[in-house]
Amino acid sequence: RKEVEQDPGPFNVPEGATVAFNCTYSNSASQSFFWYRQDCRKEPKLLMSVYSSGNEDGRFTAQLNRASQYISLLIRDSKLSDSATYLCVVGRTGTASKLTFGTGTRLQVTL
Amino acid sequence: GAVVSQHPSRVICKSGTSVKIECRSLDFQATTMFWYRQFPKKSLMLMATSNEGSKATYEQGVEKDKFLINHASLTLSTLTVTSAHPEDSSFYICSAPRTSGGRGNEQFFGPGTRLTVL
Repeated sequence: RKEVEQDPGPFNVPEGATVAFNCTYSNSASQSFFWYRQDCRKEPKLLMSVYSSGNEDGRFTAQLNRASQYISLLIRDSKLSDSATYLCVVGRTGTASKLTFGTGTRLQVTL
Repeated sequence: GAVVSQHPSRVICKSGTSVKIECRSLDFQATTMFWYRQFPKKSLMLMATSNEGSKATYEQGVEKDKFLINHASLTLSTLTVTSAHPEDSSFYICSAPRTSGGRGNEQFFGPGTRLTVL
């Protein structure tokens, strides 16, 4: 079983739609959780950290369920510029952690 | 602006040559840096942890004699792919953690180096 599993997609959605991505992780010792965004042939960039209480950043909402070892990302009012691959990332320790990446979920937002 | 740089951004070389990739943290010190490799449509895979002042630690299955890592200073780590072969063709990315206020330690990634071995 992969350490971090994601549905690879692609998710094709119209502009303005709401889309949700899910992710599960296998290592219960994981302590930090993130969503990164990666554009084609570019490096990953941090989208947001994920906290136990859930957190929101503009149109993006992340949730963490430690009991189920499950992380989600919700994107509201999708924009064309949201088209990218979204990587679920899990770290073992809180600082200078080794990160384990999911394979990513590809999102394509269309007109 | 960028906080981690990588050089070169792209390398095309013949089989058997060695390729050196540099990763620099800009405006901050990084005692630890990470090296990843990403094959097309695959996830980033951690190859090794580069430690300033000590040996790098390699992930299982990564040959330390093949991928030489040197953390020369608090702002520079280099990865040398020795005797490169076509199967080493990949996207190599480094990252460095930096404390970012309320975000704790955030890892910043370099722009990556695309290696093509002919």
